[in-house]
Amino acid sequence: EDQVTQSPEALRLQEGESSSLNCSYTVSGLRGLFWYRQDPGKGPEFLFTLYSAGEEKEKERLKATLTKKESFLHITAPKPEDSATYLCAVQARGGGATNKLIFGTGTLLAVQP
Amino acid sequence: GAVVSQHPSRVICKSGTSVKIECRSLDFQATTMFWYRQFPKQSLMLMATSNEGSKATYEQGVEKDKFLINHASLTLSTLTVTSAHPEDSSFYICSASPLGSAHYEQYFGPGTRLTVT
Repeated sequence: EDQVTQSPEALRLQEGESSSLNCSYTVSGLRGLFWYRQDPGKGPEFLFTLYSAGEEKEKERLKATLTKKESFLHITAPKPEDSATYLCAVQARGGGATNKLIFGTGTLLAVQP
Repeated sequence: GAVVSQHPSRVICKSGTSVKIECRSLDFQATTMFWYRQFPKQSLMLMATSNEGSKATYEQGVEKDKFLINHASLTLSTLTVTSAHPEDSSFYICSASPLGSAHYEQYFGPGTRLTVT
């Protein structure tokens, strides 16, 4: 069964204190791994898609990496505005655009000034 | 680019009535749209997948007669919650996958907060 596990469930950082969020997955053939940011009461905002082990993508203070079993979202020198829930999702091969995303339960990040 | 809107953003209805939620892709065409619900402090739960011009595919445990989905065009999908009850109160979010995309990414709407009294 395809599954996504995120850790930690919650993370509190001081402004400027770098850290990483983990997303472990099992899937029957990975098409893509997706990272989203979700603010309270809003829909998820797309951040990155990773397709193969060894791939890395960066956006401002965020950097996502991928191995065959897990993905990390590295946050460098975070600011209070980075506070949000970060969601990881995987998509299995086959089925085209109807392939559903399987979401983890998210990591709630709080960055204190 | 890749903007998805939902309407309404918030709705309160009485038990037994029906509520329609619209999901539109504003700057792209979407072959496939997805409907999710999210309970407080929980992740997104896929309810159904809809393709333009065909019947929706519902996830196990989701009542298709209660949650009616219509995907009438490449930019519009609607979710109707029929005979709503308080337990249907939730945050409903849609997403859309751009037509012709090689990567099948999904872009999400801002969500609709449904409260059934």
